[in-house]
Amino acid sequence: DGGITQSPKYLFRKEGQNVTLSCEQNLNHDAMYWYRQDPGQGLRLIYYSQIVNDFQKGDIAEGYSVSREKKESFPLTVTSAQKNPTAFYLCASSSLAGSGNTIYFGEGSWLTVV
Amino acid sequence: RKEVEQDPGPFNVPEGATVAFNCTYSNSASQSFFWYRQDCRKEPKLLMSVYSSGNEDGRFTAQLNRASQYISLLIRDSKLSDSATYLCAVNRPGGGNKLTFGTGTQLKVEL
Repeated sequence: DGGITQSPKYLFRKEGQNVTLSCEQNLNHDAMYWYRQDPGQGLRLIYYSQIVNDFQKGDIAEGYSVSREKKESFPLTVTSAQKNPTAFYLCASSSLAGSGNTIYFGEGSWLTVV
Repeated sequence: RKEVEQDPGPFNVPEGATVAFNCTYSNSASQSFFWYRQDCRKEPKLLMSVYSSGNEDGRFTAQLNRASQYISLLIRDSKLSDSATYLCAVNRPGGGNKLTFGTGTQLKVEL
């Protein structure tokens, strides 16, 4: 099956811990993204990457880190510096060929701080 | 002004009704527009892209009004299964294919 796989689907984190969310895609897409969704706030862009070994901060990058060592993979680390990490995290990807390319989402990861 | 704004709803409509949502955007240089559907606790899924000339897919019609900077989604003959949150998305000029999403409009179709 082609698509975007996120894991884990549910994750509980203790305060002060770093956690890493996995995102893998087999769509051969160049660009990958991480969004965060909170109730009533819509999706907010955390980080994005257009090419291997390169990534840029989005609107709310503080407290997060990413890497893009392979085209297929774009893991997100939620660090202890992120003060309010409980949210629904969505990984996405898109082609960059042409313009107006659709962004497709993985099934998401629910992170809860306990 | 927010980059992308939507009426959060909820819109409660009877089955078979026609319902329309609007979404306004602030950056006149935006070129790509989309409607996504999101079910409760699920990921957004592309419903349709919005083209300058307007486009239709079955019961769904999307239109773009550049002069007034809004896009619209019309759903005809609403089904119970149309109940969901509808997100509009607008690209950010400057490359990278980044989208800004609205907060979504909730639709509830009732018997």
